[in-house]
Amino acid sequence: SQKIEQNSEALNIQEGKTATLTCNYTNYSPAYLQWYRQDPGRGPVFLLLIRENEKEKRKERLKVTFDTTLKQSLFHITASQPADSATYLCALDGGLDSGTYKYIFGTGTRLKVLA
Amino acid sequence: SAVISQKPSRDICQRGTSLTIQCQVDSQVTMMFWYRQQPGQSLTLIATANQGSEATYESGFVIDKFPISRPNLTFSTLTVSNMSPEDSSIYLCSVTDRGVSDYTFGSGTRLTVV
Repeated sequence: SQKIEQNSEALNIQEGKTATLTCNYTNYSPAYLQWYRQDPGRGPVFLLLIRENEKEKRKERLKVTFDTTLKQSLFHITASQPADSATYLCALDGGLDSGTYKYIFGTGTRLKVLA
Repeated sequence: SAVISQKPSRDICQRGTSLTIQCQVDSQVTMMFWYRQQPGQSLTLIATANQGSEATYESGFVIDKFPISRPNLTFSTLTVSNMSPEDSSIYLCSVTDRGVSDYTFGSGTRLTVV
């Protein structure tokens, strides 16, 4: 069955360093992959979308890579700040249904940036 | 992107009762979804709310337990029926446009069943 794996252990890093989060998947060939941020008590907030034919996508301090051979996406936050502390979820498309892609979410990785 | 108002934000309910959660969007949207997020777990899709017709449920979720309404393109409700402590979770409404697009989520309803 389709499976998405994100590191369940929290990632602690020093302010100013680059945080790298991993999303691995198996039994899957997604065409699209998204990353979301979720703060405690809030719904997820969309950050970036990357297509299978794109190797890398950037937005300000964020960078996402998508390696369909390794079946892995990496999410980088450069010059990290304490305000970046949150849980980050990856989501992969579960196929097209009625003209819309349904996404399947990983369990997320909690990032804590230490001042 | 759309702005979602989800109510209530939290509730504590007695087992055997039902709770209806409302999702109001500030613009017309094509697709609306209901998710459940149990503690430490990923978001699990419950169903797609279809305007003017019955919702489409994912495996493991049934209409009798989670009846959904979507009377128009800006509003939907999810009812959690005959609740048990296992239903304690966060329930989230989400919307997107047709095609490849990001999802916008409501702030969620934290439900505790005692």
